[in-house]
Amino acid sequence: AQSVAQPEDQVNVAEGNPLTVKCTYSVSGNPYLFWYVQYPNRGLQFLLKYITGDNLVKGSYGFEAEFNKSQTSFHLKKPSALVSDSALYFCAVKIVGDKLSFGAGTTVTVRA
Amino acid sequence: NAGVTQTPKFRVLKTGQSMTLLCAQDMNHEYMYWYRQDPGMGLRLIHYSVGEGTTAKGEVPDGYNVSRLKKQNFLLGLESAAPSQTSVYFCASSYRGDTQYFGPGTRLTVL
Repeated sequence: AQSVAQPEDQVNVAEGNPLTVKCTYSVSGNPYLFWYVQYPNRGLQFLLKYITGDNLVKGSYGFEAEFNKSQTSFHLKKPSALVSDSALYFCAVKIVGDKLSFGAGTTVTVRA
Repeated sequence: NAGVTQTPKFRVLKTGQSMTLLCAQDMNHEYMYWYRQDPGMGLRLIHYSVGEGTTAKGEVPDGYNVSRLKKQNFLLGLESAAPSQTSVYFCASSYRGDTQYFGPGTRLTVL
């Protein structure tokens, strides 16, 4: 089955430090991968996507993600985290029928 | 553009009552989706539509029905609500299966 996994329920970092949110995928063929962010009591906001091309994808709010085919990973990164980056982050993969399969989510807390 | 809007924002039902959630999008998107979000389970697809007049089952369709009579609207119905349907419901739309854009959500409590 095509799916993604987010191995960490929570990530805690200090403001100004690098932030990494992990995602691994299991798909046949070339994956279409997405990252979304959800702030409290809000809907999901699209951050970035990988379809093909450069393995490093740049997105909104200074986030980027690195596609690694050999490790089947698509980790989300930000060089210098802000307190305002505290939110719930979801990785997703496009599956048959133009649907998305989401990971369980990772709660990011950035402390001042 | 308002993007994707959902009505209502909050609702409390008693077991056995019925209700309809409305999703509207003004981006002329072909595809629309209904998800539910429960703690620790991510988002699970309930039903989706690939165009006006079409609907299809997702991962967790039982207890829900949908209709897409107009391209811009996607309705989610609960005929006889159960406590297990207490959740946050999100609607999303996309242009032919590309990036999905989400509404703000409806928080439903079934007592």
